[in-house]
Amino acid sequence: GQSLEQPSEVTAVEGAIVQINCTYQTSGFYGLSWYQQHDGGAPTFLSYNALDGLEETGRFSSFLSRSDSYGYLLLQELQMKDSASYFCAVCDSNYQLIWGAGTKLIIKP
Amino acid sequence: DAMVIQNPRYQVTQFGKPVTLSCSQTLNHNVMYWYQQKSSQAPKLLFHYYDKDFNNEADTPDNFQSRRPNTSFCFLDIRSPGLGDAAMYLCATSTERSGREQYFGPGTRLTVT
Repeated sequence: GQSLEQPSEVTAVEGAIVQINCTYQTSGFYGLSWYQQHDGGAPTFLSYNALDGLEETGRFSSFLSRSDSYGYLLLQELQMKDSASYFCAVCDSNYQLIWGAGTKLIIKP
Repeated sequence: DAMVIQNPRYQVTQFGKPVTLSCSQTLNHNVMYWYQQKSSQAPKLLFHYYDKDFNNEADTPDNFQSRRPNTSFCFLDIRSPGLGDAAMYLCATSTERSGREQYFGPGTRLTVT
C-alpha cells in the first residue's frame, strides 16, 4: 500500500533549528508538499518540492531526494508561534493525494 | 481578498438527518477538494473535482456525496449522518491536479447528536 511516515512528535527550544522528516512509499510521484496546522485552524501551505534539492522560503526550507523517497522540512530560528502540527503530502501518478499522519512540534522557551 | 469560504462554520445535525455543507472560492481554481479531519489525525481526502471531473476516493463511504454546480461552488452532502461522522470538514482548492499548493477554507465543525 501507499504510505507516508513522519515522526509523531518533535520537541525543540525557541531559537533553535528543527528538522521534520518524511519518507514515502507511493506508486509514482508528482511532488511533496508541506502544510502547517495550528490547533483549531485549517492547514496552510508551506512548501512544495517536485525536484531534488532544497527550496527555501524565509525561515522554512524543504528538501527532497526522490531516489531515497525522502524529504524534510527545516525550520530555523524557531518561534513559539511555530508550535503546530506539520503534515507532508505526496501526489502519486494517479493524482491521488496521500497525507502523512502529522508531526506535532512542541517548542519550549 | 481571494479566498475559500465555508458555511456554516459550525453545524449541528441529528443522527440520520441529512446535512449539506457548502464551500465557495474566489480564486478561480480548477481543482476543489473535500477533506474530513478528526481530532489529532491527518486530513482524509473524500473527493476532488478537476473542473467538472469528479473523483471519489476509494474508501469514501456512500453516505457522502458531492456536487460542483460551477467553478466557484462545491457542496458536501451527508445523507444519513452517524455519530462517527462528527468531524471537521475542510474544503480546499488548487490550480493543479497535483495539488501542489492547496488553499484551505476555515472548515465546518460538524456535530451529530
